[in-house]
Amino acid sequence: GNSVTQMEGPVTLSEEAFLTINCTYTATGYPSLFWYVQYPGEGLQLLLKATKADDKGSNKGFEATYRKETTSFHLEKGSVQVSDSAVYFCALPTGGGNKLTFGTGTQLKVEL
Amino acid sequence: DTAVSQTPKYLVTQMGNDKSIKCEQNLGHDTMYWYKQDSKKFLKIMFSYNNKELIINETVPNRFSPKSPDKAHLNLHINSLELGDSAVYFCASSQVGRDSPLHFGNGTRLTVT
Repeated sequence: GNSVTQMEGPVTLSEEAFLTINCTYTATGYPSLFWYVQYPGEGLQLLLKATKADDKGSNKGFEATYRKETTSFHLEKGSVQVSDSAVYFCALPTGGGNKLTFGTGTQLKVEL
Repeated sequence: DTAVSQTPKYLVTQMGNDKSIKCEQNLGHDTMYWYKQDSKKFLKIMFSYNNKELIINETVPNRFSPKSPDKAHLNLHINSLELGDSAVYFCASSQVGRDSPLHFGNGTRLTVT
């Protein structure tokens, strides 16, 4: 079945540093791909998505490009802020019934 | 005006007890879910309901029983609680469609002692 693998954390960066969180997928066909973010003490919320190959999703300065050649959907941000400290999850649909399978999550900590 | 609300936020109880977690969404979505997040942040789907009908039932002990009285509510009842049930339980909802984003509640932290 469909699955995602994302880099392990935690990732610690200084403010204004460049961020990359790697995500690769295994899938039948070309399902939509998602990044969700979980801030401390909260539930997950959608950060961005891409619905087909070569699409780029973007939101709040974050970007991810759906690359079928490398089966990847890496999350990037050019200049992180302390407020970006959170856990980031890559996800894709698996099976039926709107089932979404999440990666293991990558904790990001941004320091001043 | 909270979109997905679940109660209680914290639940501390002893082994063997029975407890319930309630969830309500005011987004008009047809589909609701329960997810379990362990201490390492790993998130796994437990159940999904579409318009009060169970559509996803993962390999979950039958001590866990979801109930959906209407499409805006999905409750989770847990019998005979065990230490391994300690986790954060998230309710979520979405519209029908594989690209529809999930909207999560803020979670219920269950601690079984």
